[in-house]
Amino acid sequence: GIQVEQSPPDLILQEGANSTLRCNFSDSVNNLQWFHQNPWGQLINLFYIPSGTKQNGRLSATTVATERYSLLYISSSQTTDSGVYFCAVRAGYGNKLVFGAGTILRVKS
Amino acid sequence: NAGVTQTPKFQVLKTGQSMTLQCAQDMNHNSMYWYRQDPGMGLRLIYYSASEGTTDKGEVPNGYNVSRLNKREFSLRLESAAPSQTSVYFCASSGERQGVYEQYFGPGTRLTVT
Repeated sequence: GIQVEQSPPDLILQEGANSTLRCNFSDSVNNLQWFHQNPWGQLINLFYIPSGTKQNGRLSATTVATERYSLLYISSSQTTDSGVYFCAVRAGYGNKLVFGAGTILRVKS
Repeated sequence: NAGVTQTPKFQVLKTGQSMTLQCAQDMNHNSMYWYRQDPGMGLRLIYYSASEGTTDKGEVPNGYNVSRLNKREFSLRLESAAPSQTSVYFCASSGERQGVYEQYFGPGTRLTVT
């Protein structure tokens, strides 16, 4: 089945710094989502981005489907950005998502 | 519009006990899913239901059963709980809207089996 790899596995930032998280996938996809899991465990939808670029405030994402990767940019990070960021791709019938292992982000004040 | 709701939020079971996790969505989505998340890992699909009346196994179905009760509700049953089933369980739903198939998650159920 499809493989999803995220990097880096861990990231520590000072408040105000920028960061780029990467998601590589092993096969063609027609759906890609980025999620933020906050410290309380809640999964929050960030982007639905099978291709192209989207921006939402300080966050933006780019997916280059032909090269099988997606990037999540966080600018001017805040402590509330801390948590785990997951990339998930759609594989086959029923819109099943396959998740990467996540990037743990810690933003220090 | 509550989105995806799950009950209970927390549960402790003894080995061999059974229980059912409940999930409901009010977004009129066709597809529903059950995932488990173990410490330090991403989510793994247990079972899914592409539409009312159908269910299929995911990546880790052993030890679980599901019921798609109607379009809104999808339950997950543990017939004989084992310590290896200690995990956080998430329900999700998805449906097509203007060509977009975005998946939304419930708040999770934290299950401990002793």
